[in-house]
Amino acid sequence: GAVVSQHPSRVICKSGTSVKIECRSLDFQATTMFWYRQFPKKSLMLMATSNEGSKATYEQGVEKDKFLINHASLTLSTLTVTSAHPEDSSFYICSARLPSALEETQYFGPGTRLLVL
Amino acid sequence: QKEVEQNSGPLSVPEGAIASLNCTYSDRGSQSFFWYRQYSGKSPELIMFIYSNGDKEDGRFTAQLNKASQYVSLLIRDSQPSDSATYLCAVNMGDSNYQLIWGAGTKLIIKP
Repeated sequence: GAVVSQHPSRVICKSGTSVKIECRSLDFQATTMFWYRQFPKKSLMLMATSNEGSKATYEQGVEKDKFLINHASLTLSTLTVTSAHPEDSSFYICSARLPSALEETQYFGPGTRLLVL
Repeated sequence: QKEVEQNSGPLSVPEGAIASLNCTYSDRGSQSFFWYRQYSGKSPELIMFIYSNGDKEDGRFTAQLNKASQYVSLLIRDSQPSDSATYLCAVNMGDSNYQLIWGAGTKLIIKP
């Protein structure tokens, strides 16, 4: 159980285009999902918290107009990188929160590697 | 500032030995604690969580929590080369936004 998928796994795009990344919880309902980015040999950086049916909460320094997040259902959150530039090239990873009475476990998708040319 | 600290390593351990990974956290109100493993180029995968003081064992892995000392550790017995990865410690500090506070990770190398 607690499987999270992410699509696409890898994408190459031209500078100025937009890219949409999907994150799905396959066998549980996730009211909360998280979007991270990670540069090579660096730690995870939380970009935003996505709550189903409401606006995402962005971390300081993350441009909400550039990184559009939509959490339209209990199993799907999307991240759209708008007008992508080479500096947006990174490893984007989503996680979904599995709520329980005792802990708040996050399960990760396999990640999306974005390369902007 | 809520923080989670880990030694970045690399920590080198001979195959078959016990690997000990440590993590400290700043917020005494923290409620649950997680260890994730991340192989190079892959996303993190959950190894185990712990929320009560003491030890929790799962196969070759044992998590230890000491809330008085604000310290959580992960022991890996009979280390295998396949255990070589970066180990991330994460802490749920009980915020309503459900976020985890992440350590920077410890790189573990198991030498055959």
